[in-house]
Amino acid sequence: AQSVTQLDSQVPVFEEAPVELRCNYSSSVSVYLFWYVQYPNQGLQLLLKYLSGSTLVKGINGFEAEFNKSQTSFHLRKPSVHISDTAEYFCAVSKTGGYQKVTFGTGTKLQVIP
Amino acid sequence: ETGVTQSPTHLIKTRGQQVTLRCSSQSGHNTVSWYQQALGQGPQFIFQYYREEENGRGNFPPRFSGLQFPNYSSELNVNALELDDSALYLCASSVQGKNTEAFFGQGTRLTVV
Repeated sequence: AQSVTQLDSQVPVFEEAPVELRCNYSSSVSVYLFWYVQYPNQGLQLLLKYLSGSTLVKGINGFEAEFNKSQTSFHLRKPSVHISDTAEYFCAVSKTGGYQKVTFGTGTKLQVIP
Repeated sequence: ETGVTQSPTHLIKTRGQQVTLRCSSQSGHNTVSWYQQALGQGPQFIFQYYREEENGRGNFPPRFSGLQFPNYSSELNVNALELDDSALYLCASSVQGKNTEAFFGQGTRLTVV
């Protein structure tokens, strides 16, 4: 079974400052890793994904994440946040092959302060 | 734009009633998964359907059931609704066995009163 830990439930950051949202996962098999964003009263939107290849993954809206297999981490970063980045961010994992149940973390609320 | 559509977007039901939620998968996708997202929580896997059969289930009671149709669309049925069933229900479609990820719909917000 897979599990995901998002250590920070809330992250306040000033506008134009950098941000890192932390994600650690646990799995005994190879996995795919994802970050999703959820705006209030909306569904999930995929920010970026790691399937294979380069460990540095670039996504939409200027976000990027780095897969670190030795530390079982997949932290999300953005060099300069905007007010519109205020949302909840979910890290997720699924095993490769087989049925693709996605296991989510509990989410991190990013609050961008003007 | 994912192409996964869910209906209805919102509904209100009374405790003890039954509800059916619907999901149309993205073109070319043959697998549908359902998730429950309670307020302030991450989504929790309910079950997955592939080839019109349940193909994996999370920790949900039997009153949560589903169907998948030949066109790969799907329904989630919940019987004997409880107040704790109030949540956002998300549908995700994918391709079984391929190196891809699941695409999510916008969800159905169910309120049980």
